[in-house]
Amino acid sequence: AQKITQTQPGMFVQEKEAVTLDCTYDTSDQSYGLFWYKQPSSGEMIFLIYQGSYDEQNATEGRYSLNFQKARKSANLVISASQLGDSAMYFCAMREKRGSTLGRLYFGRGTQLTVWP
Amino acid sequence: GAVVSQHPSWVICKSGTSVKIECRSLDFQATTMFWYRQFPKQSLMLMATSNEGSKATYEQGVEKDKFLINHASLTLSTLTVTSAHPEDSSFYICSAPPRAGQPQHFGDGTRLSIL
Repeated sequence: AQKITQTQPGMFVQEKEAVTLDCTYDTSDQSYGLFWYKQPSSGEMIFLIYQGSYDEQNATEGRYSLNFQKARKSANLVISASQLGDSAMYFCAMREKRGSTLGRLYFGRGTQLTVWP
Repeated sequence: GAVVSQHPSWVICKSGTSVKIECRSLDFQATTMFWYRQFPKQSLMLMATSNEGSKATYEQGVEKDKFLINHASLTLSTLTVTSAHPEDSSFYICSAPPRAGQPQHFGDGTRLSIL
């Protein structure tokens, strides 16, 4: 089974509007971490935000916030006040506490976000 | 600044050539390094995990003889694509496990094009 599911291959949003990128995950671990990365066309992976499974508050980093719903196993990324420079591929990822490879990230298929003026 | 340095950033070479990609941890020691491959518009696929001082662990379906991984020191891991062919053309990116309280560190990736 997929550990990370991103159901939106592409999303479009107008500049200055908010957008939500969906992510659901599957794990039997109690302790895990959820990440969002941005990958522009140049290829580098830019860390955006992190949510630990035991964190009670939703993570926020500037214009990024993570809507963490543990019971639903979802970790949606909300980008407020979209900017043209936000156009990129966005990946949701999970790191489990246990497992044979400590530190390994499981990635979703990604969502291509396009911000239009 | 960057904590994982990956070189080269892009390579174009002829079919049959072997290509080495280096991944260095800059201000910390990485006993483990992850190597990912990414095709256009697709996700990152873990190829292998290199371990300092021991053999790399390859994911199912990854050819060990095609993709040689060496982790010779605590700051350097290398991926060598041997006898590369056009189908090996891809984006390769390395990653080091995080230090406490830090996100996963990625290199900037290597675009490999085999003619």
